[in-house]
Amino acid sequence: QVQLQESGPGLVKPSQTLSLTCTVSGGSISSGSYYWSWIRQPAGKGLEWIGRIYTSGSTNYNPSLKSRVTISVDTSKNQFSLKLSSVTAADTAVYYCARDTGSAPFDYWGQGTLVTVSS
Amino acid sequence: QSVLTQPPSASGTPGQRVTISCSGSSSNIGSNYVYWYQQLPGTAPKLLIYRNNQRPSGVPDRFSGSKSGTSASLAISGLRSEDEADYYCAAWDDSLSGHWVFGGGTKLTVL
Repeated sequence: QVQLQESGPGLVKPSQTLSLTCTVSGGSISSGSYYWSWIRQPAGKGLEWIGRIYTSGSTNYNPSLKSRVTISVDTSKNQFSLKLSSVTAADTAVYYCARDTGSAPFDYWGQGTLVTVSS
Repeated sequence: QSVLTQPPSASGTPGQRVTISCSGSSSNIGSNYVYWYQQLPGTAPKLLIYRNNQRPSGVPDRFSGSKSGTSASLAISGLRSEDEADYYCAAWDDSLSGHWVFGGGTKLTVL
């Protein structure tokens, strides 16, 4: 059973960089044809896809966030990471990591982690 | 403003059949599969329907999906109290190098 767990600071100051890591257990991050995605959800609002990475390192990003987002993977640690730069209060949200398969995207999710942007 | 359009709310009584719509465009629903997710309060979303109308193992057959043109629908028959949740549609959008897009979500209330 694949499990995902987000980790990182719960509070980030405006204009700084938000950094989160997703640790995958129950299987190798580099096995199978999987992408690994980040998705966020502001309180009381809908889901917003941030971007994804393939184990080869290729990435796709949400066009609206592309200029501020970097997603990377560390196969030796079975982890992938998110960096979002120049954050504002509008970036306050629960951030989820999820597995993205070709046929059934987002079939496994982390529990989510709340990141608040505030001084 | 979400790329895919869903009604913000829907409701029904136990045993009823309800449908939730999802409207998109030629670059997303019109040319790619639609997926549906159920999010219970305080939890991560759960994949409910994949590839328009396929159910993952463990999802009751009360849930069904369909797609026509640039729109899709999720139907829930035999409504139960535990179906009260937020439902989201999603599709791959081929524009701008490709990206996933979600609907704004529909809050289903079981009366």
